[in-house]
Amino acid sequence: AQTVTQSQPEMSVQEAETVTLSCTYDTSESDYYLFWYKQPPSRQMILVIRQEAYKQQNATENRFSVNFQKAAKSFSLKISDSQLGDAAMYFCAYGGGSSNTGKLIFGQGTTLQVKP
Amino acid sequence: DSGVTQTPKHLITATGQRVTLRCSPRSGDLSVYWYQQSLDQGLQFLIQYYNGEERAKGNILERFSAQQFPDLHSELNLSSLELGDSALYFCASSVVGTGDDEQFFGPGTRLTVL
Repeated sequence: AQTVTQSQPEMSVQEAETVTLSCTYDTSESDYYLFWYKQPPSRQMILVIRQEAYKQQNATENRFSVNFQKAAKSFSLKISDSQLGDAAMYFCAYGGGSSNTGKLIFGQGTTLQVKP
Repeated sequence: DSGVTQTPKHLITATGQRVTLRCSPRSGDLSVYWYQQSLDQGLQFLIQYYNGEERAKGNILERFSAQQFPDLHSELNLSSLELGDSALYFCASSVVGTGDDEQFFGPGTRLTVL
């Protein structure tokens, strides 16, 4: 069974600085997808970024980028130029695999505080 | 606004009762998912439907059941409720329901069991 682990329950960053959130996962599959979701205080789940395991190039979306290390089963999220609106809980998620259903397996989440 | 609607937003009920949570997917999305978010268990996948058929099942209790109707809306039924069922229940939808398909989440239904 696949598992996702986020070892940092809480992180803080100064506004305009850079922060990296860690995520590791375990799977025996070779084809899968990894996601970072943001959950602000409103509780709405918002997709931040997605990575296909077959792609070597790390995904980027504006100020958000990932460091995907397939062999190490590591998938970290880097937020550059942090803004107050980035304060939220961030979830790493695993999807896909041989069954290719949409089932997502989430990590425990990391609460990010952004200090002005 | 993701385009996914969930009703009700809040639900307060007593142990032993039964409730129904409703979800309307985004227009054009054929797949619906249910997730449970609680302090104890975190965010857990419950079940997925695609065009009316069950596609994947997660850690869904036998007391819980779901279905997707011909108009593609979905309902999650929770029965014999226990205190531990108190949680935020999310519905999400996507176009084809495969692993690479982006899921859009609704605002959630907050269930409190007293």
